[in-house]
Amino acid sequence: DTAVSQTPKYLVTQMGNDKSIKCEQNLGHDTMYWYKQDSKKFLKIMFSYNNKELIINETVPNRFSPKSPDKAHLNLHINSLELGDSAVYFCASSPPGLAGRTDTQYFGPGTRLTVL
Amino acid sequence: ILNVEQSPQSLHVQEGDSTNFTCSFPSSNFYALHWYRWETAKSPEALFVMTLNGDEKKKGRISATLNTKEGYSYLYIKGSQPEDSATYLCALGSASKIIFGSGTRLSIRP
Repeated sequence: DTAVSQTPKYLVTQMGNDKSIKCEQNLGHDTMYWYKQDSKKFLKIMFSYNNKELIINETVPNRFSPKSPDKAHLNLHINSLELGDSAVYFCASSPPGLAGRTDTQYFGPGTRLTVL
Repeated sequence: ILNVEQSPQSLHVQEGDSTNFTCSFPSSNFYALHWYRWETAKSPEALFVMTLNGDEKKKGRISATLNTKEGYSYLYIKGSQPEDSATYLCALGSASKIIFGSGTRLSIRP
């Protein structure tokens, strides 16, 4: 059974388009995250949600908006896509507790976004 | 600004040899230090989480130590095997966020 799943795995789109990446976890975790793997292969946290509430919002453009319909899902919407948005985006979840502190992160398989 | 440094950036080791690498972090606002293993074309998988100064964790041939006072953690691999080839990430859980290092890319030569 897949613990943290993301769709799509690959996304190729034109500059200026709006797109979404979906994430679902079946681990019963309270906290979910979005990370961006940048061109230098760094994993940088973008957002963190705990029980449908935003708790971390790093300095990302407001074209990026997370949406959490329930605690098992955290989707990432991106408006007006730019070339620099091309990257691999990872979703993750962690067990109940203080988010980002002691909790192990369970990562999804990643979504490779290419903006042309 | 919290910064997590890993060294070396990459490492080539002969199969059967033992190796180790370092994660350095600011010791203030420490909550937890995580190690992850990240194989190419896969997603990071948790190896260890350590919270107390002097913690040591072991999983098979891989072990890790933690020194929160001086701000470093070591990851050791004993008797490297080809399947150990991966990028090893450490991450610092601080008061407000989790910050990943850039990783040590380990390649095992058969």
